[in-house]
Amino acid sequence: GESVGLHLPTLSVQEGDNSIINCAYSNSASDYFIWYKQESGKGPQFIIDIRSNMDKRQGQRVTVLLNKTVKHLSLQIAATQPGDSAVYFCAETYNAGNMLTFGGGTRLMVKP
Amino acid sequence: KAGVTQTPRYLIKTRGQQVTLSCSPISGHRSVSWYQQTPGQGLQFLFEYFSETQRNKGNFPGRFSGRQFSNSRSEMNVSTLELGDSALYLCASSMGQGNEKLFFGSGTQLSVL
Repeated sequence: GESVGLHLPTLSVQEGDNSIINCAYSNSASDYFIWYKQESGKGPQFIIDIRSNMDKRQGQRVTVLLNKTVKHLSLQIAATQPGDSAVYFCAETYNAGNMLTFGGGTRLMVKP
Repeated sequence: KAGVTQTPRYLIKTRGQQVTLSCSPISGHRSVSWYQQTPGQGLQFLFEYFSETQRNKGNFPGRFSGRQFSNSRSEMNVSTLELGDSALYLCASSMGQGNEKLFFGSGTQLSVL
C-alpha cells in the first residue's frame, strides 16, 4: 500500500526557535492530511489538519503547508517550547475515509 | 466531554491465548477505528466501525477482529496470539462523516510472552 514518510528522524531545537517538521507522502489521491503529536505514554493528539484544496492553514503557533506538486507536507511550530517535545506524525487519507496512513514520525527535542 | 477511554491499560498474555480490548468513544461519536503501533512498523490501521458495521479494514490477518455495539462502544479481539502481536493498540473515535479529525485514546499496551 501507499506509505507516508517511513522513518523516525530527530529534530533538536533551542527553546524559542521555530521548528519545521517535514513529511513526504506518496498517494497522489490523498485529499485530507493531519498532524498528530504523541507524548510518551499517551495516544496521538490532534494538532492541525488541511484539505487538498488548500496549501496553507494556520492554528495557534502552528502552520501546516501542503505542496501537492511534490507531495510534501510540513508542520511549522513557532516559538518552540519544552512542552512541544514529542513525536510528531503526519497522516493522510482519501476518498472521505477514516483510514489514516501514518508517517514514521519525527522526534522533536526542545533544549531549554 | 470525556475523551476516548480504553481498557485495560496494560495486558500480558502468552502465545496462543486470545485477548479482548475495549474502547469507549467520545459521547456522540459513531465511528471507532483501531490502530496498532509498534517500534518497527509504526502506526497501522486495523479496522473502522460505524453504526455497528465494519466500514474499512486494514491488511491484518483474520485473527484480528472487532465489533461495535449500539452505544458505539467497540471491542477488538486477537485470537491465537503471536509474539509479534506485542504492541500498543490505539482506539480513535470521530463523528463518522469521513475526512475528519480522529481523537485517540491512550491505548492498551499488550505484551505477548
